[in-house]
Amino acid sequence: NAGVMQNPRHLVRRRGQEARLRCSPMKGHSHVYWYRQLPEEGLKFMVYLQKENIIDESGMPKERFSAEFPKEGPSILRIQQVVRGDSAAYFCASSQGTGNQPQHFGDGTRLSIL
Amino acid sequence: GENVEQHPSTLSVQEGDSAVIKCTYSDSASNYFPWYKQELGKGPQLIIDIRSNVGEKKDQRIAVTLNKTAKHFSLHITETQPEDSAVYFCAARGLGSSNTGKLIFGQGTTLQVKP
Repeated sequence: NAGVMQNPRHLVRRRGQEARLRCSPMKGHSHVYWYRQLPEEGLKFMVYLQKENIIDESGMPKERFSAEFPKEGPSILRIQQVVRGDSAAYFCASSQGTGNQPQHFGDGTRLSIL
Repeated sequence: GENVEQHPSTLSVQEGDSAVIKCTYSDSASNYFPWYKQELGKGPQLIIDIRSNVGEKKDQRIAVTLNKTAKHFSLHITETQPEDSAVYFCAARGLGSSNTGKLIFGQGTTLQVKP
């Protein structure tokens, strides 16, 4: 399967812990987008990365959230000191480029905060 | 800011009937409009997209129309089948000043096709 791979599929954390979400883009794709989906809502853009660079983080909360896309390995979305409001489904998408290149999504990580 | 409005929020049709979902967008600079289908527990799956240089695109039972003047676009599904039941999202590529290609999504339409 050459699609976008996200892991883990489900993640449970207690308040104050850290959550790390991983995304491996489709083969040949070097552009990664992270989106968050709350129950019964649409997807909200968080951050856009290319290899080793954050291009647009306008949708990312200013505190506790960070993202990276290293030269080697998957993209990581990191949430420090999680709170109940962080409970959501987090989706990663990848594309070959910007412009009008289609974005293809993974099946997401469902984060639950106890 | 950039915004996409989607209607209706829920839609129920009989198998074989057509379904239409409509979206409006606010950023007149947007030039790419994809549609996604999301099934329970899955990620959004791209089903069709349209660019601003065309007014209509069709792929088998699915078609999308775009009216740039009115800033709205629609998804048409003909001869609906029970497996078409899912949540459908429209999106617009928000260009703005940053031109990063992020997608602005509508709120979603839950389509139910009754056998």
